[in-house]
Amino acid sequence: KAGVTQTPRYLIKTRGQQVTLSCSPISGHRSVSWYQQTPGQGLQFLFEYFSETQRNKGNFPGRFSGRQFSNSRSEMNVSTLELGDSALYLCASSLTGASEQYFGPGTRLTVT
Amino acid sequence: SQQGEEDPQALSIQEGENATMNCSYKTSINNLQWYRQNSGRGLVHLILIRSNEREKHSGRLRVTLDTSKKSSSLLITASRAADTASYFCATAPSGYSTLTFGKGTMLLVSP
Repeated sequence: KAGVTQTPRYLIKTRGQQVTLSCSPISGHRSVSWYQQTPGQGLQFLFEYFSETQRNKGNFPGRFSGRQFSNSRSEMNVSTLELGDSALYLCASSLTGASEQYFGPGTRLTVT
Repeated sequence: SQQGEEDPQALSIQEGENATMNCSYKTSINNLQWYRQNSGRGLVHLILIRSNEREKHSGRLRVTLDTSKKSSSLLITASRAADTASYFCATAPSGYSTLTFGKGTMLLVSP
């Protein structure tokens, strides 16, 4: 069974730009969660999508948004990038949000 | 704020020794999970223990859960250099379909 894939793996953007990250979950998994990981704040939950609906949302500003498609693939978008958005963005898929999660390798975003 | 808090923040041991990491959490949970992360990569699921379970084993891993104290421990026996990684506990709070992660314990196993 293919694992969770994330694209791109690395990204360098300039302050003020926007970025879209993609995540393809394991086949059959309907829940996709996104996390931001930084050295200072650790792993922070961004949002969870289940069957194309955002089911839970973390404490992040509205610049962070996401969506899920009918094939369960998910995208997250960050608009008006700030230096503090530099982080490893991890996507995880699961059968249900609270069951064991399978993580992708992450997208390393650097904002300059 | 983080639901789970791991202790210690860092642990350095020799190969062959046992490593114990602890996790405390704040609210009632459906389950608690442990994950491993190697240097900036994605997390790997290690073990899940449900709120009605007290102990679970998987290979060299042993997890305990004390819901009255809202705490869990992960024991890695006979550690190997390849066990060097960060270990995170994650809780699934009752009524929520998401996981909340702690800040992790960095484990260094020296040959």
